[in-house]
Amino acid sequence: GEDVEQSLFLSVREGDSSVINCTYTDSSSTYLYWYKQEPGAGLQLLTYIFSNMDMKQDQRLTVLLNKKDKHLSLRIADTQTGDSAIYFCAVPSGYSTLTFGKGTMLLVSP
Amino acid sequence: EAGVTQFPSHSVIEKGQTVTLRCDPISGHDNLYWYRRVMGKEIKFLLHFVKESKQDESGMPNNRFLAERTGGTYSTLKVQPAELEDSGVYFCASSQIGLAGSTQYFGPGTRLLVL
Repeated sequence: GEDVEQSLFLSVREGDSSVINCTYTDSSSTYLYWYKQEPGAGLQLLTYIFSNMDMKQDQRLTVLLNKKDKHLSLRIADTQTGDSAIYFCAVPSGYSTLTFGKGTMLLVSP
Repeated sequence: EAGVTQFPSHSVIEKGQTVTLRCDPISGHDNLYWYRRVMGKEIKFLLHFVKESKQDESGMPNNRFLAERTGGTYSTLKVQPAELEDSGVYFCASSQIGLAGSTQYFGPGTRLLVL
């Protein structure tokens, strides 16, 4: 089955860029997703990229997809303390399920 | 438009008791999913409803878990009897389309603690 790996922790200073990486195993994925979970809250769909794209930019967020290496990354420019959260990479698997990574905890310090 | 809602937000029960979680999907979404995240691990798929039918229940851990979606609107997930290892966050999601790659919108989750 699908396997999704993420680094578990990232610490940055406010104003810096953050890059969260994800690798996956199933090359037939269509859309690939990034979800955000703030403390005590649910999963918020942050952004997604279609598998025929290399890059997608949405304000401070940039998603890069390297299909050859099965590598997905999320870059947050000008990271703010409000960006502190857990970020999950999610890849479709099977008929309609999502396989998630363990999540990367982003800590932004002032 | 209201998002996916879940009730209760938190539940603390003793081992052996029964708990029922409820999920209300986004209006008009035929597809409803249950996921859970146990302590420090991945978010794992439990099952998928299309309207009132179970499309895929391959992720259900054992027969102590029973999911229903009578009438094809809201869904319940009952754990009976609850065990310590059932503690975690139970997420519900819904989508318009049930194919791989359709965007799933998640609820806030129910945090279950079994003592």
